[in-house]
Amino acid sequence: QLQLQESGPGLVKPSETLSLTCTVSGGSITSSSYYWGWIRQPPGKGLEWIGSIYYSGSTNYNPSLKSRVTISVDTSKNQFSLKLSSVTAADTAVYYCARQKGSSEYFQHWGQGTLVTVSS
Amino acid sequence: DIQMTQSPSTLSASVGDRVTITCRASQSISSWLAWYQQKPGKAPKLLIYRASSLESGVPSRFSGSGSGTEFTLTISSLQPDDFATYYCQQYNSYFTFGPGTKVDIK
Repeated sequence: QLQLQESGPGLVKPSETLSLTCTVSGGSITSSSYYWGWIRQPPGKGLEWIGSIYYSGSTNYNPSLKSRVTISVDTSKNQFSLKLSSVTAADTAVYYCARQKGSSEYFQHWGQGTLVTVSS
Repeated sequence: DIQMTQSPSTLSASVGDRVTITCRASQSISSWLAWYQQKPGKAPKLLIYRASSLESGVPSRFSGSGSGTEFTLTISSLQPDDFATYYCQQYNSYFTFGPGTKVDIK
């Protein structure tokens, strides 16, 4: 049974860097059929794709966030990570990691999500 | 950028009702559309992909149709477990979600 679990600080100060890790269990992050993505949801609002990565390290980012986002993968730990720099209150959201079917398809399995609040 | 809209934003219905939600894209996305269900405090759950393909394990009362710029999600007979918010998502060019449709109890 595939499981994804987000982890990282729940509180980040403005202008600092948000860092989250997604640990994948019950499946290999090196599977050739899948990409691995990050999606966020501000409280009470809709969903926004942040970016995705293949196990080889190939990435795709949302153009509106690209200048601040870095997604990386650690195949030895079956994990992938998100860094979002220069955060503001507008980056307060529940952050989800997900398994994506192919390089440009839908999000098939999701983690439970983790709330990150940007506040001093 | 491809923008997605959904209507209605809120839908009040009763158990047993047939429910239809519409999703529109700002330009043609062929059939590159998915539907998700989200309950409060939970992650979205994939229901439909490629506009009309039912994800494994999803009840057959859910169905999707459409292509190009207009799509629909239909629940043939609403069940108590179906009260939730539904999102469409295009994956023709990057990934964009619709604003959601909340289905609540009438």
